[in-house]
Amino acid sequence: SQQGEEDPQALSIQEGENATMNCSYKTSINNLQWYRQNSGRGLVHLILIRSNEREKHSGRLRVTLDTSKKSSSLLITASRAADTASYFCVGGKLTFGQGTILTVHP
Amino acid sequence: EPEVTQTPSHQVTQMGQEVILRCVPISNHLYFYWYRQILGQKVEFLVSFYNNEISEKSEIFDDQFSVERPDGSNFTLKIRSTKLEDSAMYFCASRTDAQDYNEQFFGPGTRLTVL
Repeated sequence: SQQGEEDPQALSIQEGENATMNCSYKTSINNLQWYRQNSGRGLVHLILIRSNEREKHSGRLRVTLDTSKKSSSLLITASRAADTASYFCVGGKLTFGQGTILTVHP
Repeated sequence: EPEVTQTPSHQVTQMGQEVILRCVPISNHLYFYWYRQILGQKVEFLVSFYNNEISEKSEIFDDQFSVERPDGSNFTLKIRSTKLEDSAMYFCASRTDAQDYNEQFFGPGTRLTVL
């Protein structure tokens, strides 16, 4: 399966700081997607980056993709307490890693 | 904005009972999915469905599970004889087509508790 694995498993920062999460995957993909899950809630799609793209921005989100290293990063700039959630990367067939638990302290 | 809906939000059942989890995908979507997430664990793919048949399923999706699109709007997951280990959050998702370039839209989930 095309499973994404996120790193770090947990990240704790202060409001206003930037948060960077990394993801690695094992097989070729056509795109990579990042999702957010608030505790006990549903999954929210954040951003999709295609295999022929290297970087993509959406608001405070910046995603990079390095297909040669089979890795991606998600940067959240100027974090807010409301960004506290688990973040997952997904490539190709939708299988998920454990996610990165981000805690943003006000 | 169109969204995927799921009912009920929480289902409590006794072990051995049958449960049906319901989903209403986004109306012009053609591909439908079920996932589950056991508390504290990762989201796991169960099954994908297209053109009124299963297109792919995982090892988790054994004979106890079945899916159906009984009408033009609902997409259901049935667990015939629930076990304690079926307790999880079940997410439905839909997509316009199966191309990897398109995102899946997830519903809010149904929390299933098997006692």
